[in-house]
Amino acid sequence: QVQLVQSGAEVRKPGASVKVSCKTSGYIFIDYYIHWVRQAPGLGLEWMGWMSPNGVDTNFAQKFQGRVTLTRDTSTSTAYMELSSLRADDSARYYCARLAVAGNLDDHWGQGTLVTVSS
Amino acid sequence: QSALAQPPSASGAPGQRVTISCSGSTSNIGRNSVYWYQQLPGTAPKLLIYRNDRRPSGVPARFSGSKTGTAASLDISGLRPEDEADYSCAAWDDSLRGPVFGGGTKLTV
Repeated sequence: QVQLVQSGAEVRKPGASVKVSCKTSGYIFIDYYIHWVRQAPGLGLEWMGWMSPNGVDTNFAQKFQGRVTLTRDTSTSTAYMELSSLRADDSARYYCARLAVAGNLDDHWGQGTLVTVSS
Repeated sequence: QSALAQPPSASGAPGQRVTISCSGSTSNIGRNSVYWYQQLPGTAPKLLIYRNDRRPSGVPARFSGSKTGTAASLDISGLRPEDEADYSCAAWDDSLRGPVFGGGTKLTV
């Protein structure tokens, strides 16, 4: 079955960077877009960006332009999201996902990675 | 502020019916399908409704969705205590070339 398994919780100081991994299995990794969505405590879901199946094309929500980098390792079917210049309001749970709303026939999410930014 | 507008809260007694609204614009709901998610505390969102009114296998028929113009709604009939969760709408946005989400509605049963 399709699975997306994310790396564990992270704590960072303001100004630092964090890199979250998303190891996929159960499907052909290079056939699907991977999206990244975050959710701050008590707030709604916020789309951050996607990486296309070709691993070259990316698209980001404007507020994350220049601060988010998406990469992948096809040998391990793992996607990565790196967020730089962290601020306190970047404290959130970060999800990787294969989204039905993006045109897929099904919908799969990682379990989420809690990132805490605190001095 | 979320791109799709939802009421922050909704409530109903067991057995009753509740409707959650979702309002967007021509670039998202007006041109694309609406999706609904159910989210329990500390867990990832679970797809509840896709393509406006279709239910994935395993989702009870008590859950139904509809869309008109740039607005959509989720109806939950025969409320049960286990329906208490956060519900979010989503749609693809042609201008952003990405999905937009509602701020979520906390349902209390």
